[in-house]
Amino acid sequence: GEDVEQSLFLSVREGDSSVINCTYTDSSSTYLYWYKQEPGAGLQLLTYIFSNMDMKQDQRLTVLLNKKDKHLSLRIADTQTGDSAIYFCAERPDTDKLIFGTGTRLQVFP
Amino acid sequence: DTGVSQNPRHKITKRGQNVTFRCDPISEHNRLYWYRQTLGQGPEFLTYFQNEAQLEKSRLLSDRFSAERPKGSFSTLEIQRTEQGDSAMYLCASSPGGTSGAVRDTQYFGPGTRLTVL
Repeated sequence: GEDVEQSLFLSVREGDSSVINCTYTDSSSTYLYWYKQEPGAGLQLLTYIFSNMDMKQDQRLTVLLNKKDKHLSLRIADTQTGDSAIYFCAERPDTDKLIFGTGTRLQVFP
Repeated sequence: DTGVSQNPRHKITKRGQNVTFRCDPISEHNRLYWYRQTLGQGPEFLTYFQNEAQLEKSRLLSDRFSAERPKGSFSTLEIQRTEQGDSAMYLCASSPGGTSGAVRDTQYFGPGTRLTVL
C-alpha cells in the first residue's frame, strides 16, 4: 500500500544542523520531494531528488536517498529560526498524484 | 506574481450549504491538482486534470464533490450539502506537463482555501 512515514517533531538549536527523516513504500516512485509549510500557508517546494540519485545538495539543503531501504532524509545546515515550519516528504509513484507523509514539525530555538 | 492562486482564502459556511472554490494555475501549466489537508495531516490527493480532462479521482471524492476545468485554465471545486467533516484546507497545485520528467512532474502549490463548516 501507499504509506509515507515521518517523525512528528524535531527541535534544534539555532546554528545546528537539522535532519528530517522519511520512509516511503512504493519502490516505483521516480521522484521524491520535500515541501515546507508555514502556519496557515500552502506548501513551498524545497527540493526533489530523482530515484537514481543517492544525494542532492542545494545550498543549505542536502537530500540523501537510500533506495534499498526506501529512506529519504533532508539535512538543513546552519538552521535558522526562519526554518521553523512543518516539512513534508512526498513520493510520486506510477500515477501523477503525490503521496505525502504526515509532516515533521521543526522548531528552532535560540 | 505568477504563482498558483486560490479564492477565497477562507470560507465559513453552515452545514448543508454548497460552496465553490476557484484555483488559477501557473500560466501554461497544463496539469492541475486538488488536495485536501486536515489538521495535523499531510495533503491527500482528490483529483487532477490534464488540460480540461479529469484523469483521476480519489475515493475521497464523494458524490457531493465535483471539480471542473472547463477551458483548461482555471478550475473550480464544488462541495454540495457540506458536512462538518468537510472542514479542511483545500489545496490546489499545478505542474507543467510535457515530456521532460523532473520539470514536467514538479507540482507547485497555491496558498489554499480553508473551509470551516459549522
